[in-house]
Amino acid sequence: DGGITQSPKYLFRKEGQNVTLSCEQNLNHDAMYWYRQDPGQGLRLIYYSQIVNDFQKGDIAEGYSVSREKKESFPLTVTSAQKNPTAFYLCASRKDSNTGELFFGEGSRLTVL
Amino acid sequence: DAKTTQPNSMESNEEEPVHLPCNHSTISGTDYIHWYRQLPSQGPEYVIHGLTSNVNNRMASLAIAEDRKSSTLILHRATLRDAAVYYCSDEKLTFGTGTRLTIIP
Repeated sequence: DGGITQSPKYLFRKEGQNVTLSCEQNLNHDAMYWYRQDPGQGLRLIYYSQIVNDFQKGDIAEGYSVSREKKESFPLTVTSAQKNPTAFYLCASRKDSNTGELFFGEGSRLTVL
Repeated sequence: DAKTTQPNSMESNEEEPVHLPCNHSTISGTDYIHWYRQLPSQGPEYVIHGLTSNVNNRMASLAIAEDRKSSTLILHRATLRDAAVYYCSDEKLTFGTGTRLTIIP
């Protein structure tokens, strides 16, 4: 079945460590997005990519990095520079960057110990 | 930048209609209005979207004001499975804090 797969579902890390969250889609979508969600909060955009080898910062990009080397993959690295990394991270994609519905993954919950 | 505002929470009795409002007074004239909903510990799922005229699908109806400054998501007959946080957004995918819908059995 087509969809978006995020892994891992749960992740623990120590302070000062970088961690990479995986996001893969087999929907042949051009645009991919990373959102962060904190308890009781809405979704805030971290980074997005409209096409392979291109990406732009969202509203809260500091302390995060991404790459888009393949159409189907858009990994997010949470670096040690991110001051409050504990959150629920959601990846999404859609056919193109200007219109259409978003398809979301199941999310990755990162906890910093 | 376009911004959406929604009530923080709403309650409805089971099997009754629910009207969830969203204000988007600065939305661009060519941007669609999107609605998503999110169950606990899951990713959001698409509900419906529209541009100017009212829209219907198997999940819900979307009523868009003539001036496009607001819209209302309508669940015609709420079930317990409709309890979720509902988000409206513009085409630029700016999500607010959403409306937490509680269904009372």
